[in-house]
Amino acid sequence: GAVVSQHPSRVICKSGTSVKIECRSLDFQATTMFWYRQFPKQSLMLMATSNEGSKATYEQGVEKDKFLINHASLTLSTLTVTSAHPEDSSFYICSARLGRGLTEAFFGQGTRLTVV
Amino acid sequence: EDQVTQSPEALRLQEGESSSLNCSYTVSGLRGLFWYRQDPGKGPEFLFTLYSAGEEKEKERLKATLTKKESFLHITAPKPEDSATYLCAVFGNTGKLIFGQGTTLQVKP
Repeated sequence: GAVVSQHPSRVICKSGTSVKIECRSLDFQATTMFWYRQFPKQSLMLMATSNEGSKATYEQGVEKDKFLINHASLTLSTLTVTSAHPEDSSFYICSARLGRGLTEAFFGQGTRLTVV
Repeated sequence: EDQVTQSPEALRLQEGESSSLNCSYTVSGLRGLFWYRQDPGKGPEFLFTLYSAGEEKEKERLKATLTKKESFLHITAPKPEDSATYLCAVFGNTGKLIFGQGTTLQVKP
């Protein structure tokens, strides 16, 4: 399957600082990328959908100003958690689709964010 | 609203003991149903896509089937390395991939 690389895999930051997570599609161009959040022993909750060259579409309840998403190219999307607080600690996962039609979504390895 | 419910929440099997995982769904215009495997601390790993009722797909000890209301993931003669959380997701007219809660499978030697 296609490869999606997410970096970093783990990050610890202090409250009030910002953290950037990168998601790259290594062997294909991803017109659409998705960002999910996963709490322990729970399923993946969609945060936002990111289309290359346009603004991200956020799910209800997700703060746009806190979770900044940029999809600058067909192979890179970034999620920046701004002014992080301990409640933002979670497992963040990105996903990329091969094209606009019905295709499989491939996932990155995930990023474990801990805010202290 | 698209919805996915998986059962059971957790499943313990002895090595070699076959079983099935269930994924019930309601979706506006099913365009695809996906099965993923997730190991602790890692992102989901793609297993199968099913597009229409009656479709079946196999990979090693796993077989996925689809009806108009549910999908099953059959595990034949499982091994300890099959232990993981199995996630079901649907893709419909909303254009979003909606996940179920997952079934955590533990296979004991």
